[in-house]
Amino acid sequence: GAVVSQHPSWVICKSGTSVKIECRSLDFQATTMFWYRQFPKQSLMLMATSNEGSKATYEQGVEKDKFLINHASLTLSTLTVTSAHPEDSSFYICSARDPRSSVGYTFGSGTRLTVV
Amino acid sequence: QQPVQSPQAVILREGEDAVINCSSSKALYSVHWYRQKHGEAPVFLMILLKGGEQKGHDKISASFNEKKQQSSLYLTASQLSYSGTYFCGTGGGSQGNLIFGKGTKLSVKP
Repeated sequence: GAVVSQHPSWVICKSGTSVKIECRSLDFQATTMFWYRQFPKQSLMLMATSNEGSKATYEQGVEKDKFLINHASLTLSTLTVTSAHPEDSSFYICSARDPRSSVGYTFGSGTRLTVV
Repeated sequence: QQPVQSPQAVILREGEDAVINCSSSKALYSVHWYRQKHGEAPVFLMILLKGGEQKGHDKISASFNEKKQQSSLYLTASQLSYSGTYFCGTGGGSQGNLIFGKGTKLSVKP
């Protein structure tokens, strides 16, 4: 089945630094990947849609200069949290759908970001 | 438009049944069900694409009532491993993304 690999699983960083999170589709090509953020005990909220070879589409209220997305290949999308602050601490999850499959969207394992 | 899930939480004893509902104020074309355990990513359970469709796996099944714009997830003879938060996701996001409900926390006790 479709597998999405996300790294790292967790990261602790200092305020003001940047953190990069990688999302890879391992056995399929994904022209589109989705980045979600989930605060404790809340639902998954879409942050942005990553499009291979073009600019990402950001949801309202998400700062594109703070959450940089790069989708340089059909199997890799990266999310960089720049100048991280404690309020950016959250669970970040990427998702993609294998176009060959009738199965739903596959999620990466998520990245727990803690900014101290 | 975020789908509405009910109940918000449910506590069961092992072997009991539960139903989780998901409804939308917009027309539904697909409904996806996921289960998420604490600290982990959501895991796909099933997708329903057609009105009137019902499907299941093991003792978890789901139905899709297109006319009523709702779907229900049925968990029968619940097991401890069923514990987690269940999300329904509906298609129709502007980017082809899923829009998730707020989740239903299911706790199965021995």
